[in-house]
Amino acid sequence: EAGVAQSPRYKIIEKRQSVAFWCNPISGHATLYWYQQILGQGPKLLIQFQNNGVVDDSQLPKDRFSAERLKGVDSTLKIQPAKLEDSAVYLCASSRAGRNTEAFFGQGTRLTVV
Amino acid sequence: AQKVTQAQTEISVVEKEDVTLDCVYETRDTTYYLFWYKQPPSGELVFLIRRNSFDEQNEISGRYSWNFQKSTSSFNFTITASQVVDSAVYFCALSEASYGNKLVFGAGTILRVKS
Repeated sequence: EAGVAQSPRYKIIEKRQSVAFWCNPISGHATLYWYQQILGQGPKLLIQFQNNGVVDDSQLPKDRFSAERLKGVDSTLKIQPAKLEDSAVYLCASSRAGRNTEAFFGQGTRLTVV
Repeated sequence: AQKVTQAQTEISVVEKEDVTLDCVYETRDTTYYLFWYKQPPSGELVFLIRRNSFDEQNEISGRYSWNFQKSTSSFNFTITASQVVDSAVYFCALSEASYGNKLVFGAGTILRVKS
């Protein structure tokens, strides 16, 4: 079974530029998550999708971050404009539908904003 | 409110030593789930275990064991006879039934196993 795929692995941009990350979850997983992991901290949930609907985006900075999962499969997370404090690893995860099933994570995209 | 505390920022041991990683959690829900994940240098989070709040039975899987104690709100993780390949960051996480599958992570413990 293929794992969660993310691209790119690394990205360096200047502040105020825009950037987009892509995630393809494990086949058949209805739930998709984007987490932000700042260096030295645990991951923090940004947004959770169930199929193509948003379940939780309470911690997404909506003035600059957006995410979509139009066909209920792969997803894109965008930051526009980026700030220095957005430097982090962005992790995508997926899980089967149902309560508290384990989430499987991709390798993440390491974003550096300079 | 959900909160997970991993007080140990970094632990260094010599190969073959046993090591315990501490995790303390806070929740108001009676139904919740606790997780441990391993993050090797490659970056992805690897699922290790999930326990629900109604099952306090300790679990052993090879060199790994977990001790869940509701009385102290702790879910500690022990690695027996540590190996260099165990070197990683370990995260404890909590999800509450009322919040679906949202995971709240601790800050992580860096484990360094030296040969």
